[in-house]
Amino acid sequence: AQSVSQHNHHVILSEAASLELGCNYSYGGTVNLFWYVQYPGQHLQLLLKYFSGDPLVKGIKGFEAEFIKSKFSFNLRKPSVQWSDTAEYFCAVVFSGGYNKLIFGAGTRLAVHP
Amino acid sequence: GAVVSQHPSRVICKSGTSVKIECRSLDFQATTMFWYRQFPKKSLMLMATSNEGSKATYEQGVEKDKFLINHASLTLSTLTVTSAHPEDSSFYICSASRGASWESGETQYFGPGTRLLVL
Repeated sequence: AQSVSQHNHHVILSEAASLELGCNYSYGGTVNLFWYVQYPGQHLQLLLKYFSGDPLVKGIKGFEAEFIKSKFSFNLRKPSVQWSDTAEYFCAVVFSGGYNKLIFGAGTRLAVHP
Repeated sequence: GAVVSQHPSRVICKSGTSVKIECRSLDFQATTMFWYRQFPKKSLMLMATSNEGSKATYEQGVEKDKFLINHASLTLSTLTVTSAHPEDSSFYICSASRGASWESGETQYFGPGTRLLVL
């Protein structure tokens, strides 16, 4: 079955630390890849997405993600986090063939301390 | 652009009653709308996909007679939880997409969610 795994459920960092959140998916075909963020009390917002082309994707607020096809991964990175990055981060994948159906990972709760 | 609203934001109802939740795309036409359920401290679970003017496609394990979905226009989809029970209490989130297929590569835009509490 097609699935999305996020290995870190809770991450705690100090401000200015670097961030990398893992995301892997189980599917050998073509995929579209997304990272969404949910700030406390707010709805899901798109951080970045990958459909094709350059596997290194830059998103909003200084985030980037790299698609490594051979590893079935799409890890999210930020060189220096801020307190305002405290949120829950969801990796999501659309698998080829059919409707635009997102499969979400379990999410990673990030807490950034000043 | 690409704003999605949901109404109501919170609803409390008695067991056995029905509750309707609306999802609207405010500034674009949504060919496809999706309904998700989010359990506490867990991820979003897709319940169903609806395309304007056609019947919704439900995910395995989701009762279509219990969760009625209507997508009557390109800007409105409704989810009706029929004969609600306490186990239906949850956070329901909709999303909307301009495109209908994977090939279109369309992003989904999410609503703020509706918290349902069934007493």
